Amino acid sequence: EAGVTQFPSHSVIEKGQTVTLRCDPISGHDNLYWYRRVMGKEIKFLLHFVKESKQDESGMPNNRFLAERTGGTYSTLKVQPAELEDSGVYFCASSQDYVYGYTFGSGTRLTVV
Amino acid sequence: AQTVTQSQPEMSVQEAETVTLSCTYDTSENNYYLFWYKQPPSRQMILVIRQEAYKQQNATENRFSVNFQKAAKSFSLKISDSQLGDTAMYFCAFMKRGLRSYQLTFGKGTKLSVIP
Repeated sequence: EAGVTQFPSHSVIEKGQTVTLRCDPISGHDNLYWYRRVMGKEIKFLLHFVKESKQDESGMPNNRFLAERTGGTYSTLKVQPAELEDSGVYFCASSQDYVYGYTFGSGTRLTVV
Repeated sequence: AQTVTQSQPEMSVQEAETVTLSCTYDTSENNYYLFWYKQPPSRQMILVIRQEAYKQQNATENRFSVNFQKAAKSFSLKISDSQLGDTAMYFCAFMKRGLRSYQLTFGKGTKLSVIP
């Protein structure tokens, strides 16, 4: 079984530019989550998809962040325009049954300079 | 809101020895899940062990076991017979049961180094 795939693994962009992160969940997993870890801080929840619908987006920091999940398969997280404080590691996770925890991807390290 | 505290930013242990990582949490909920995740240097987080709050019995997975003290809101992880492959960041996490989105609340993590 293929795991959760995220790309790019690293991205360095300038302040004001746009970046799009992609996540491919495990096939058949209806639940897809985005989390973010800013340096030295806790991993924070961003949002949760069930299939193609946003179940909970209470963790999205502001309207510069836009998440989509096309046809209930892969998801993208776009940051536009990027700010310095957006730097961090963005994790994607998927699950079929939340009770047993998620399967995480390796993360995308975003650096805004 | 829930909070999770891991008071040990870094720890080290000799290979084959036993180490305990601490985690405390604060919640007013009665039904929830607790997890320990491991993130090796390759960066993918892996679920180590989970505990259901309504179960009194401590969870065990091979060399990994937890000491769950619900009244004290404590959830420590014990690693027995430590191996070099146990070197990783360890995150304690809380999930409220029945919450629509089933989001995890994480602690800041403990960096564990296993020394040969």
